[in-house]
Amino acid sequence: ETGVTQTPRHLVMGMTNKKSLKCEQHLGHNAMYWYKQSAKKPLELMFVYNFKEQTENNSVPSRFSPECPNSSHLFLHLHTLQPEDSALYLCASSQDRVTAMGDFGPGTRLLVL
Amino acid sequence: GESVGLHLPTLSVQEGDNSIINCAYSNSASDYFIWYKQESGKGPQFIIDIRSNMDKRQGQRVTVLLNKTVKHLSLQIAATQPGDSAVYFCAESISSNTGKLIFGQGTTLQVKP
Repeated sequence: ETGVTQTPRHLVMGMTNKKSLKCEQHLGHNAMYWYKQSAKKPLELMFVYNFKEQTENNSVPSRFSPECPNSSHLFLHLHTLQPEDSALYLCASSQDRVTAMGDFGPGTRLLVL
Repeated sequence: GESVGLHLPTLSVQEGDNSIINCAYSNSASDYFIWYKQESGKGPQFIIDIRSNMDKRQGQRVTVLLNKTVKHLSLQIAATQPGDSAVYFCAESISSNTGKLIFGQGTTLQVKP
């Protein structure tokens, strides 16, 4: 079973709400990632953290704000989202940025009303 | 722009038959490729990877073939089982930054009993 956990698994929020997604990995990895998976679109990389430092921001709107307090935890803070932000948000981890990424969490299914 | 694509959105096979899932990529600088399997309600699961210095790699019941000349990748599943039913994604990256994966849209594999 995956060593990457995500909470909540499902989230419904209004456009004026503020919420946070949490990801935790129990694998001793140093790199963590946020991906967005929309219906009928490929997975899109959002952010990469390596040893707690953000190394990649894939032109993500500022209404998505990541936070990585330590190598085991990753958050995605959400505020004033749009309906088109509804998607499955996946967290992943790897030993570091140059090691194969094999560990995804189950995702948070987000619906923005 | 860069793109990674799968040739067929859905592939239906009989249980016990072999399955072949195809993928085309466009970035000639990519030198590392991964196949993932995603079951309903779960995050992507690493199946097998291959680097560009190889043209074939085998795992348990799976084989990945890489043709750099035509930028083509395929996943072969031997003796397909009902548990193989899922969406399969290929992804490409440059090996110095394997966390920055570019994903294809996915092929749904349906296994008929």
